[in-house]
Amino acid sequence: DGGITQSPKYLFRKEGQNVTLSCEQNLNHDAMYWYRQDPGQGLRLIYYSQIVNDFQKGDIAEGYSVSREKKESFPLTVTSAQKNPTAFYLCASSIGTGGQPQHFGDGTRLSIL
Amino acid sequence: AQSVTQLDSQVPVFEEAPVELRCNYSSSVSVYLFWYVQYPNQGLQLLLKYLSGSTLVESINGFEAEFNKSQTSFHLRKPSVHISDTAEYFCAVSDKPRQLTFGSGTQLTVLP
Repeated sequence: DGGITQSPKYLFRKEGQNVTLSCEQNLNHDAMYWYRQDPGQGLRLIYYSQIVNDFQKGDIAEGYSVSREKKESFPLTVTSAQKNPTAFYLCASSIGTGGQPQHFGDGTRLSIL
Repeated sequence: AQSVTQLDSQVPVFEEAPVELRCNYSSSVSVYLFWYVQYPNQGLQLLLKYLSGSTLVESINGFEAEFNKSQTSFHLRKPSVHISDTAEYFCAVSDKPRQLTFGSGTQLTVLP
């Protein structure tokens, strides 16, 4: 079945360390998104990409970076510049490029050691 | 700030019976409304959406939802459920593209 695979499920980061969260989709969707979820809050958009080799900042892009070298892959790097990285991260995708995500992955929970 | 309230955390229903999953939202601006479904061991996926136009929207598997602006509701209904409809259902609201606020979810369990 088609879907989105996020890995790892749990990730721990030391202070000053960069970590990369993987997101792969086999839905042939054009657009991909990264969201952050904190307790009691809705999803906040970090980055999104509508086509390969192009991506746009969302509302909370500071301290994060992404790449979109392949249509099916959209990894997110949480850099040491992100001062409060502990959160639940969700990757999503959609067929079109102008609307809301249609499919989500299962998420990665990032914690600071 | 937007918020979404799903009034029932668990809804058990017998197969072929009708079901309604309730969703209310609060927002001071015009919104887009969505229902997402999460089947066991799968990620969230979009079930249906209201963006504009007709207030009644339908999904391909027989669910429908009606946008009621005066009551700020977007309840999800199906006249006859199947075992395969067992899943968790999330209502979501957005006031701009790619932004989403989710409710806490309703677990629909269809009993034989």
